[in-house]
Amino acid sequence: DSGVTQTPKHLITATGQRVTLRCSPRSGDLSVYWYQQSLDQGLQFLIQYYNGEERAKGNILERFSAQQFPDLHSELNLSSLELGDSALYFCASSPRTGHGNTIYFGEGSWLTVV
Amino acid sequence: GQQVMQIPQYQHVQEGEDFTTYCNSSTTLSNIQWYKQRPGGHPVFLIQLVKSGEVKKQKRLTFQFGEAKKNSSLHITATQTTDVGTYFCAGSSGGTSYGKLTFGQGTILTVHP
Repeated sequence: DSGVTQTPKHLITATGQRVTLRCSPRSGDLSVYWYQQSLDQGLQFLIQYYNGEERAKGNILERFSAQQFPDLHSELNLSSLELGDSALYFCASSPRTGHGNTIYFGEGSWLTVV
Repeated sequence: GQQVMQIPQYQHVQEGEDFTTYCNSSTTLSNIQWYKQRPGGHPVFLIQLVKSGEVKKQKRLTFQFGEAKKNSSLHITATQTTDVGTYFCAGSSGGTSYGKLTFGQGTILTVHP
């Protein structure tokens, strides 16, 4: 158990819909990261937040957005869902950012778009 | 953008044989990290290498970071069935992009008893 909690674990939804994935980082961790894992794209970095502020951005689609709240939990919002958005979405956290910070992954949220 | 290539894609070994996976980055990295993902599981951090030419060992695992900080390798000596999984390298440019890891495609290791 990494200490990073993600909900829901599994989600099936229809194309065009909107979903929210939730992440609680390890206690005390200020950095939260979102990654997408799919068979064709592998593990792709989406976005990082540090203490409530966006720190780094990857190839995150405009239909996707994220935020980190004052209590440090984070949400990833996926809208206008397409079949290709079906993937495993990981949240990860680390104490801070920079060298020496181990990144801990949650167990992921399986999203299936039908 | 930054690309990290990892080979081989698959490796099947007999228990007791050695295993090596290699990573090459298109750009110089600030650091490289290695992760293991068991089937159906999530990536688990193994190690981070920061210095040019760095070599680190964890029991049967040896990690190397190239002198130019563009390549890395993971070597497992005398594999065991518990080593089964996908091994990923992930590179970072550092600075404000520290958390922006670029993952290799991973090497799927199968160990036959």
